[in-house]
Amino acid sequence: KNQVEQSPQSLIILEGKNCTLQCNYTVSPFSNLRWYKQDTGRGPVSLTIMTFSENTKSNGRYTATLDADTKQSSLHITASQLSDSASYICVVSGGGADGLTFGKGTHLIIQP
Amino acid sequence: SAVISQKPSRDICQRGTSLTIQCQVDSQVTMMFWYRQQPGQSLTLIATANQGSEATYESGFVIDKFPISRPNLTFSTLTVSNLSPEDSSIYLCSVLRGNTYEQYFGPGTRLTVT
Repeated sequence: KNQVEQSPQSLIILEGKNCTLQCNYTVSPFSNLRWYKQDTGRGPVSLTIMTFSENTKSNGRYTATLDADTKQSSLHITASQLSDSASYICVVSGGGADGLTFGKGTHLIIQP
Repeated sequence: SAVISQKPSRDICQRGTSLTIQCQVDSQVTMMFWYRQQPGQSLTLIATANQGSEATYESGFVIDKFPISRPNLTFSTLTVSNLSPEDSSIYLCSVLRGNTYEQYFGPGTRLTVT
C-alpha cells in the first residue's frame, strides 16, 4: 500500500530559527515528490517538485532534499518567519494527479 | 500558475440537506479534481471531473453522494448530498496546468454539518 509518513506531526520554533521536516514514503512507481505549504483556511501551494534524479531543490528559504534510494525527503526552512506558520504537506506522485499519495502534514508554528 | 476560485468559501448546513460547491479556473484545463480534507487528515481524492463525460470516482466515493458536473473546461461543481456530520470537511478543487507536475489547488470550501 502506498504511504507517505511525515514527522514531526507538529513543531513549534522561535522566529529566526531553522527547522527540518521529514517525509518517508513507500510509493511505487515513483514519478516525483512535492512539498506544499497550506496556510490555515487556504488551499495547498506548491513549494518544490523533485523528480527521481534530483537530490535538492530550493525555493527561497525553503530547501528540499530527496534520497530516492532510502525513499526519504526533507524540507529545511532557514531563518523562519512568522508567515511560515502553516501545515507542510509531502505528496508523492506515481504519475498523473490521480496517482498522488498525500502525507498528513507537519503543523509548524513560528513564535515571536 | 492557475487562478482557482471556489464558492462558497465556507458554509454551515443542516443534516439531510445538500451543498453545491463551485470551482472556477481562469483558463481552460483538461483535468479537474475534487479532494476532501477531513480535520487533521491528509487530502483524499474524491473524483476526477471530466468534461463531456461522467466523473471518475475513487474507491469509497459514489456518484449518488457526490454528484459532479463539468459543463466546460473552466468550471465544475461538486454536490455533497444528504449531509451528515461526518461530511464536515474542507473540499478542494484542483487542476493540472502545463506538464503533469504542476498541480494547483483552490482555496477550499469549509463545510460544517450540524
